[in-house]
Amino acid sequence: EDQVTQSPEALRLQEGESSSLNCSYTVSGLRGLFWYRQDPGKGPEFLFTLYSAGEEKEKERLKATLTKKESFLHITAPKPEDSATYLCAGMTTDSWGKLQFGAGTQVVVTP
Amino acid sequence: DTGVSQDPRHKITKRGQNVTFRCDPISEHNRLYWYRQTLGQGPEFLTYFQNEAQLEKSRLLSDRFSAERPKGSFSTLEIQRTEQGDSAMYLCASSLPTGDETYNSPLHFGNGTRLTVT
Repeated sequence: EDQVTQSPEALRLQEGESSSLNCSYTVSGLRGLFWYRQDPGKGPEFLFTLYSAGEEKEKERLKATLTKKESFLHITAPKPEDSATYLCAGMTTDSWGKLQFGAGTQVVVTP
Repeated sequence: DTGVSQDPRHKITKRGQNVTFRCDPISEHNRLYWYRQTLGQGPEFLTYFQNEAQLEKSRLLSDRFSAERPKGSFSTLEIQRTEQGDSAMYLCASSLPTGDETYNSPLHFGNGTRLTVT
């Protein structure tokens, strides 16, 4: 069964304290691995798509990487405005429209 | 780009009532998706459309749920005979069509409709 697992469930960081979030997937025929950010009461906001092992993408203080079995979201020198829930999701070869989401990592950055 | 719009933002209903939600996608997007999210979980796929055609529906979706996209623009999601277990955030998303097998147009989500069934 396709599964996406994120760890840790929650992460509390001091401002400037870099860290990484993990997304492991057991999805057969992965067509793309997506990262989203979600603020309370809002819908998920698209961050990155990764397609193949070794691929990396960056946006401001965020960098996403992909291996054959997992993806990492690195947050470098985070600021309080980076506080959010970060979701990863896989899309498989048997469905163009269906994203399999993990439960997310809730990140809180304190000043 | 006005983004994906959902209406209403909140809905409180009594068990057994029917409810309908509306989603207006980004104008040039021909794909539209419905997801459901409960507290502490990631969004769960419900169904998606390409233009007016409903291409996939989750096996977990009860027969009480129905979605339409009659003219390939806005979509409605109806839940009949609501149950307390239907309480959740209902998210709509849209995307451009995928051009080839190696590129996936990302889904852009609205801010959802929060349903509370009492």
